[in-house]
Amino acid sequence: QKEVEQNSGPLSVPEGAIASLNCTYSDRGSQSFFWYRQYSGKSPELIMFIYSNGDKEDGRFTAQLNKASQYVSLLIRDSQPSDSATYLCAAAEYNTDKLIFGTGTRLQVFP
Amino acid sequence: DGGITQSPKYLFRKEGQNVTLSCEQNLNHDAMYWYRQDPGQGLRLIYYSQIVNDFQKGDIAEGYSVSREKKESFPLTVTSAQKNPTAFYLCASSIGGPPKQPQHFGDGTRLSIL
Repeated sequence: QKEVEQNSGPLSVPEGAIASLNCTYSDRGSQSFFWYRQYSGKSPELIMFIYSNGDKEDGRFTAQLNKASQYVSLLIRDSQPSDSATYLCAAAEYNTDKLIFGTGTRLQVFP
Repeated sequence: DGGITQSPKYLFRKEGQNVTLSCEQNLNHDAMYWYRQDPGQGLRLIYYSQIVNDFQKGDIAEGYSVSREKKESFPLTVTSAQKNPTAFYLCASSIGGPPKQPQHFGDGTRLSIL
């Protein structure tokens, strides 16, 4: 069974700090990776996606991919209380049209 | 505005009843998906469709059925065979790959048993 694993948290960081969210995946053939943010009671919204090894930056968010270690991370700089949510990591299953989702990490940013 | 519309927002099912959840998209996406989310859990794939008139079972298809007669519509029926239907149901769509493109979600439907 192919899996994506995330620490459920909560991860608590003070306002203005860097939040680091991590994810590992088991499917060595996965080529595409996605981070979604889900506020309580709402649907997931896409934050970033990454295909290549290395870093990809978009505003306060940086996604990092290390295919050799099968590891994906999301850094949130200058964390704000409005960033408090559950962050879902997803990996595209090799040779199918499916995404495999982790169970999410709950982030709490306190003032 | 382009997007994915799910209806209704809340739905109640009586014992032995089939109910249908609607999902419509105007993004011209080829692929559409249905997920189920239980409290504190990740998303589990029920069914997905890559083209009109074709769909595949996901990981938890038992007790559910779908149709894809039009590109923009992918309704999900929760049948009476699904004994534990209470959950948050999410519809998503994406354009074709490769590489695999992001899925975008509707606002979801909350289904409960009366």
